[in-house]
Amino acid sequence: DTGVSQNPRHKITKRGQNVTFRCDPISEHNRLYWYRQTLGQGPEFLTYFQNEAQLEKSRLLSDRFSAERPKGSFSTLEIQRTEQGDSAMYLCASSAKGLAGLYNEQFFGPGTRLTVL
Amino acid sequence: AQSVTQLGSHVSVSEGALVLLRCNYSSSVPPYLFWYVQYPNQGLQLLLKYTSAATLVKGINGFEAEFKKSETSFHLTKPSAHMSDAAEYFCALTDSNYQLIWGAGTKLIIKP
Repeated sequence: DTGVSQNPRHKITKRGQNVTFRCDPISEHNRLYWYRQTLGQGPEFLTYFQNEAQLEKSRLLSDRFSAERPKGSFSTLEIQRTEQGDSAMYLCASSAKGLAGLYNEQFFGPGTRLTVL
Repeated sequence: AQSVTQLGSHVSVSEGALVLLRCNYSSSVPPYLFWYVQYPNQGLQLLLKYTSAATLVKGINGFEAEFKKSETSFHLTKPSAHMSDAAEYFCALTDSNYQLIWGAGTKLIIKP
């Protein structure tokens, strides 16, 4: 399977605990994106990487959230001191330059559903 | 500022009937537009995309969409709904950094 994979698929944690999610993009896709999606809403952009560089981070992202992509391949998203409001689906996507040199299509993973008790 | 508006958070059609999901956009630059589908507890799958070539775009599962610049619309249609089409559909456009700006989604309900 050469699609985007995310682990774990589900995570239940207690408030105040730290959690880490992993995303493996499609190989050779140099852009990687993280989104958060709550029930009944569209995805909300969190951050994205081009290779190992984190190019943009949403202003909505609190300091408790950090993401890394150390070797420009897989990425991790860590949430420290989780709060009940962090409960959501966390989606990862990747993209590559198309023939026109544009990053226009994003391929999504299945998501990690986080429940904070 | 760029934005996407999807009219109707829920659309209900009978099996075999025409599906029409509406999407209007606002963009100061020529947009790239997308429709994604999301089945329950799954990620998003690309249905089709408009990238300034043909204005009528055909996608997977019999869906198509027409880009109408004068109406700033990119409505999604399918001639005959199937039970397996029940899902949530998201319209999105890319900004100048090729990041996706999303609509709020439309849940498609298929009545038997």
